[in-house]
Amino acid sequence: QKEVEQDPGPLSVPEGAIVSLNCTYSNSAFQYFMWYRQYSRKGPELLMYTYSSGNKEDGRFTAQVDKSSKYISLFIRDSQPSDSATYLCAIQGGYSGAGSYQLTFGKGTKLSVIP
Amino acid sequence: GAGVSQTPSNKVTEKGKYVELRCDPISGHTALYWYRQSLGQGPEFLIYFQGTGAADDSGLPNDRFFAVRPEGSVSTLKIQRTERGDSAVYLCASSRLAGANEQFFGPGTRLTVL
Repeated sequence: QKEVEQDPGPLSVPEGAIVSLNCTYSNSAFQYFMWYRQYSRKGPELLMYTYSSGNKEDGRFTAQVDKSSKYISLFIRDSQPSDSATYLCAIQGGYSGAGSYQLTFGKGTKLSVIP
Repeated sequence: GAGVSQTPSNKVTEKGKYVELRCDPISGHTALYWYRQSLGQGPEFLIYFQGTGAADDSGLPNDRFFAVRPEGSVSTLKIQRTERGDSAVYLCASSRLAGANEQFFGPGTRLTVL
């Protein structure tokens, strides 16, 4: 089992829809959770960074973390064609010692928002 | 510049050749990371620098790969005797501090080994 599992999609939704993107992880030691957006042939862009269970909201984006289930989600409200990209979840140790700072990524989910 | 920059943006080389990929982190960021992203995959960790020293190089796939950061700012990833399997996008990221901290990525260098 990979440390981070993410459905690669592709996911296609109409403009204005609510999008739900999800990842599961296996190591309960992970404490920091991120979502990156990556446009084609570009580097990943940090969208959300959180370190606790619960919700964190930023504009149309909401990140949700459930540490008991080892499940993280990103919700996009009122999706726009400009949201079309690959969304990568990433987790980080937060514990002391080797490997705590490196990011472990999911495969990414490719999202298309159709006008 | 305001963000992480990487040069070249694209590099095409022949099998067996040597390549160098450069990363210029965000000014003032002490930590620097290299990742490799293959087609359809998420980035995979290669090496991490805190200042000038490589704090963790456990992700480097073999001894053909080497990276330096001599002055604690710009870093160079060096690949010897390139193989077709080295073809990927090489991403650099930096963070203000070491440890658990937001990492900001550059645009990547797309390496193609023919």
